Amino acid sequence: ETGVTQTPRHLVMGMTNKKSLKCEQHLGHNAMYWYKQSAKKPLELMFVYNFKEQTENNSVPSRFSPECPNSSHLFLHLHTLQPEDSALYLCASSQGLVSRAYNEQFFGPGTRLTVL
Amino acid sequence: TQLLEQSPQFLSIQEGENLTVYCNSSSVFSSLQWYRQEPGEGPVLLVTVVTGGEVKKLKRLTFQFGDARKDSSLHITAAQPGDTGLYLCAGGNRGTASKLTFGTGTRLQVTL
Repeated sequence: ETGVTQTPRHLVMGMTNKKSLKCEQHLGHNAMYWYKQSAKKPLELMFVYNFKEQTENNSVPSRFSPECPNSSHLFLHLHTLQPEDSALYLCASSQGLVSRAYNEQFFGPGTRLTVL
Repeated sequence: TQLLEQSPQFLSIQEGENLTVYCNSSSVFSSLQWYRQEPGEGPVLLVTVVTGGEVKKLKRLTFQFGDARKDSSLHITAAQPGDTGLYLCAGGNRGTASKLTFGTGTRLQVTL
């Protein structure tokens, strides 16, 4: 596998279910991100992890719980979601080095989540 | 809060036409990236520009970073159906290198 992979690609869940999204990067990067992409809205940054430490939580509801066990893996644990949480959830990674002028982000294919 | 506005929001053109997409902000960015996203997939990085006034070409795509590093444009020459997708600009700043601010997006459709 190369690049950034995400599983599952599609997920349908009820409001009382608990599920997890998985992201894995094979690029040797140090930073990983979760984004939410809804129809007709800009990409919304949810969480940032840099060297396994969470550096950004963009006022995300507690029903979304991230986990970063190492620099290559990122999870998003979901519980008691609402229908308005239905969206494409994208994972990305970058080198994450503050010393660089910029850090290009590389995205996975996303998980299309539908909450019934 | 830094914002990036893209225009137009939607563009539907025929194969062979030229087009320009704009990305504007009132804030200065250290770098500006352009991505293309196809339906059901994640955004794919096209280019990064870092110097004010910089121009980069990628085949039929020409990217320019404004002199003041507050805006950018993407010009496509002789558009093809394969150019169809959502185009996103994203600005970054030195010192907060992990974080990008994404634009509102331009959805392009190129028909035969």
